[in-house]
Amino acid sequence: EDQVTQSPEALRLQEGESSSLNCSYTVSGLRGLFWYRQDPGKGPEFLFTLYSAGEEKEKERLKATLTKKESFLHITAPKPEDSATYLCAVQTRGATNKLIFGTGTLLAVQP
Amino acid sequence: DTGVSQNPRHKITKRGQNVTFRCDPISEHNRLYWYRQTLGQGPEFLTYFQNEAQLEKSRLLSDRFSAERPKGSFSTLEIQRTEQGDSAMYLCASSPDRGDGFGYTFGSGTRLTVV
Repeated sequence: EDQVTQSPEALRLQEGESSSLNCSYTVSGLRGLFWYRQDPGKGPEFLFTLYSAGEEKEKERLKATLTKKESFLHITAPKPEDSATYLCAVQTRGATNKLIFGTGTLLAVQP
Repeated sequence: DTGVSQNPRHKITKRGQNVTFRCDPISEHNRLYWYRQTLGQGPEFLTYFQNEAQLEKSRLLSDRFSAERPKGSFSTLEIQRTEQGDSAMYLCASSPDRGDGFGYTFGSGTRLTVV
């Protein structure tokens, strides 16, 4: 069964303290891996799509990387406004268009 | 506003009542998706439309749930005979017809509370 696991469930950082969030996946065939940010009471906001092992993408203080089994979201020198839930999702090969989401990592950045 | 619009934002209903939610996708997006999210969980896929055709449905979409997208524009999700377990955030998303889930844009969701 296709599965996505995110860790840690929650992470508390001091402003400027860099860290990484993990997303491990088990799928029959990966079409794409997605990272989203979700603020309380809002829908997920698209961040990145990664398609193949070794691929990296960056946006401001965020950098996403992909291997054959997992993805990391690196947060460099975070600010309080980076506080949110970060969701990872996969899309598998085959006749499907659905995304399979993990349960997310709740990030709190304290000033 | 060029985002995905969902209405209502909040809905409180009594168990056994029917409810209907509306989603207006980004106008140039052919693909439309419904997801359900409960507290502390990631979104779970419910159904997918390509224009007006409903092409994929999750096993989560029981007989009490029905979704439509007439004329390939807005979509509605109806839940009949609501149960307390239906309480969740219902999210709509749309994407262009480029395949591979490129650039899904989610709406802010409709939060359903069944009392």
